[in-house]
Amino acid sequence: DQQVKQNSPSLSVQEGRISILNCDYTNSMFDYFLWYKKYPAEGPTFLISISSIKDKNEDGRFTVFLNKSAKHLSLHIVPSQPGDSAVYFCAAGLSGAGNMLTFGGGTRLMVKP
Amino acid sequence: DVKVTQSSRYLVKRTGEKVFLECVQDMDHENMFWYRQDPGLGLRLIYFSYDVKMKEKGDIPEGYSVSREKKERFSLILESASTNQTSMYLCAIGTEHQTVRYEQYFGPGTRLTVT
Repeated sequence: DQQVKQNSPSLSVQEGRISILNCDYTNSMFDYFLWYKKYPAEGPTFLISISSIKDKNEDGRFTVFLNKSAKHLSLHIVPSQPGDSAVYFCAAGLSGAGNMLTFGGGTRLMVKP
Repeated sequence: DVKVTQSSRYLVKRTGEKVFLECVQDMDHENMFWYRQDPGLGLRLIYFSYDVKMKEKGDIPEGYSVSREKKERFSLILESASTNQTSMYLCAIGTEHQTVRYEQYFGPGTRLTVT
């Protein structure tokens, strides 16, 4: 049973436009959420996170939105750049659970010049 | 900056061989994790460790074992490699749970091919 799901395996966006990556979770106990970015042949790198006490967190071009009632989070990238082309993973965790994270299946983002 | 190194970037092994993948961190973090990444399946947790000599099974431990003799080093062992263990293996460390930062930091990964 996948507790964290990314239903879109891939997304293609034009440079300069907004990219919206979505993630759904089933465990209402999760209280923090993260997004990671992964290039081929490299390890994932941390991008942005959000605590369940917030509904939005922004860092430059990246904004994460959390809708707890819908158990849904999204990552907005604006404006999208070709260098943003990568696989994006969302992850969820429980504070006090020793850094344990549950990851989604990933969404491959392609930003076309 | 946190640095996580993995012993090999690419590895090719034969079916039945014993395979060792090593992960080393340069900080004093207690929590270490081994994942495998396969297309469409995301990152799946194999084993994790919260301290020296401690190990816990993750979601897919079958066919794997681990060793943590020193705090900075966490090894993943494939006892008898099989072709379905061809994958990208990722090691991660986590900051102590007492802090407010919960992210994991990943190594560069080892692409293992079993023929």
